[in-house]
Amino acid sequence: EPEVTQTPSHQVTQMGQEVILRCVPISNHLYFYWYRQILGQKVEFLVSFYNNEISEKSEIFDDQFSVERPDGSNFTLKIRSTKLEDSAMYFCASSKTSGGVETQYFGPGTRLLVL
Amino acid sequence: GESVGLHLPTLSVQEGDNSIINCAYSNSASDYFIWYKQESGKGPQFIIDIRSNMDKRQGQRVTVLLNKTVKHLSLQIAATQPGDSAVYFCAENPTGRRALTFGSGTRLQVQP
Repeated sequence: EPEVTQTPSHQVTQMGQEVILRCVPISNHLYFYWYRQILGQKVEFLVSFYNNEISEKSEIFDDQFSVERPDGSNFTLKIRSTKLEDSAMYFCASSKTSGGVETQYFGPGTRLLVL
Repeated sequence: GESVGLHLPTLSVQEGDNSIINCAYSNSASDYFIWYKQESGKGPQFIIDIRSNMDKRQGQRVTVLLNKTVKHLSLQIAATQPGDSAVYFCAENPTGRRALTFGSGTRLQVQP
């Protein structure tokens, strides 16, 4: 069964450094998402992406964040200058269609620790 | 503001019993609801979904009930097994939006 994959599984970085989290969505899916989950808290929406542009973003997704689909398979989340409060699990998700709402399937996550 | 909340943070059941996990939502504009299961260190795993034009949907050992009048969602797991132990999140999707709003989660502990 196709799955969303994410790399790396863990990332440790120094405050102020740039990080890039990578995702490979399910191959025939058209919508891509990033969510985050701070330890012990609920999952929070960051951004959705369709047709090579952001379709929706939350207040969390400020100018320090960016997303990109650099090729036909990868979807990345960049944090330009990490802060301590960016430490969280980051989940990529994808869904199949552009018309109507479809189930979002999540990857295993990248645990980001900012020191 | 919109919110999705869960009534109980932890639910402990005996193996073989039925489990019921509840969720309240406040956004009447939501038309799609999903239950996810999250095991430790893993991403949310889709369990079952329901659209607002339905009040009940059944899967394998799971049933989701939706009561739009009182904005309440429940997940019923039949014959709960040790492998069902996890945190369960309800999530809602308001009409016209792609973003899912997650609840705070209920931890299900299955006692052997």
